[in-house]
Amino acid sequence: AQSVTQPDIHITVSEGASLELRCNYSYGATPYLFWYVQSPGQGLQLLLKYFSGDTLVQGIKGFEAEFKRSQSSFNLRKPSVHWSDAAEYFCAVVGGNKLVFGAGTILRVKS
Amino acid sequence: SAVISQKPSRDICQRGTSLTIQCQVDSQVTMMFWYRQQPGQSLTLIATANQGSEATYESGFVIDKFPISRPNLTFSTLTVSNMSPEDSSIYLCSVRQGVGETQYFGPGTRLLVL
Repeated sequence: AQSVTQPDIHITVSEGASLELRCNYSYGATPYLFWYVQSPGQGLQLLLKYFSGDTLVQGIKGFEAEFKRSQSSFNLRKPSVHWSDAAEYFCAVVGGNKLVFGAGTILRVKS
Repeated sequence: SAVISQKPSRDICQRGTSLTIQCQVDSQVTMMFWYRQQPGQSLTLIATANQGSEATYESGFVIDKFPISRPNLTFSTLTVSNMSPEDSSIYLCSVRQGVGETQYFGPGTRLLVL
């Protein structure tokens, strides 16, 4: 069965520093991969998605993610973090017609 | 992308009562989903609601506890029945739309059961 692992429960970065959030998936076929962000008290907002083609995908708010099949990874990156990026980030994969989420990574931004 | 609204946005309920959550989408969609997010947890799929058929429930969720209606292609309701404090969660409606199985989420309903 498909699964998603986000190894980091919490990450703290300084404002202006670069960010990488890790995501590993388990799925037999070519996956559909997603990153969502959930700000405090909010629903989930889609940041970006990967279906096929270029393995580096650009999303909203300056985020990007790179699909690496050999590593079964889909890590999220941002070159310079803003205080408003503080939120919880979820990686997800579609498999068997269901969207399966990782446990989430809480990002804290310190000034 | 679909615009999804949910009512109520939050509620505080007494144990033993029931709450019906409404989900409205601004366009017709075939597949709608209901998720639960318990405090500090990730999202868990409760059921898939397709118009014109019975909802399909995931393991651990039953129709008697979480009855779902899907009267048309833009609306669905989820009822949380005979509530206990363990039902305190965020309940999110989601739809699948567009290329590649993209799912969009509503703002969620924050439920506290006392």
